[in-house]
Amino acid sequence: QVRLQQSGPGLVKPSQALSLTCAISGDSVSGISVAWNWIRQSPSRGLEWLGRTYYRSRWYNDYAVGLQSRITINADTSKNQFSLQLNSVTPEDTAVYYCARGYHMDVWGQGTTVTVSS
Amino acid sequence: DIVMTQSPDSLAVSLGERATINCKSSQSVLYSSNNKNYLAWFQQKPGQPPKVLIYWASTRESGVPDRFSGSGSGTDFTLTINSLQAEDVAVYYCQQYFTSPLTFGQGTRLEIK
Repeated sequence: QVRLQQSGPGLVKPSQALSLTCAISGDSVSGISVAWNWIRQSPSRGLEWLGRTYYRSRWYNDYAVGLQSRITINADTSKNQFSLQLNSVTPEDTAVYYCARGYHMDVWGQGTTVTVSS
Repeated sequence: DIVMTQSPDSLAVSLGERATINCKSSQSVLYSSNNKNYLAWFQQKPGQPPKVLIYWASTRESGVPDRFSGSGSGTDFTLTINSLQAEDVAVYYCQQYFTSPLTFGQGTRLEIK
């Protein structure tokens, strides 16, 4: 059974970086048939896909266009996890953040409520 | 970006009746090489992450009751819930994974009449 366990702070100050980690059990972050996503959800934006990382002989990343200058998703094969870093956050980045597996997202993390406030 | 538009925004259906939710994509999500529609349906209950019900537009995820079914192709898709149960109260989303960025519909809130 595949499980995703999210960790990271729930409060981030404006202009600082948001960092979250998603630990994988029951699958491999470097599996050649899966992708690993970050999604967020807020009342104003609904469900918003942020980006993904996947391994196909080498690592690839896709990011939402509007976030490309601020976002980084990395995989850590030694810990079998992947991470999200979102720089220069504003209150508009306040949301519930989820990690999820695959193209049709069959496994999700539990969600992390992140508030951007001073 | 592919825009996903759901209708209606909310829906109230009597227990035991059928609920129908529609999803329209701004461009086709049918990949001609494999004849697959890159469209999924999710159910989300309060305080929980979304749960996939249907993928490839009509393939039911393991463990999902057979009263849930998906249909459609190209740009027009439908989620049908037959014999509505009280536990089906939730918000339902469609999502395309045909191309990056992956995009979701705005959601349809389903309630009991």
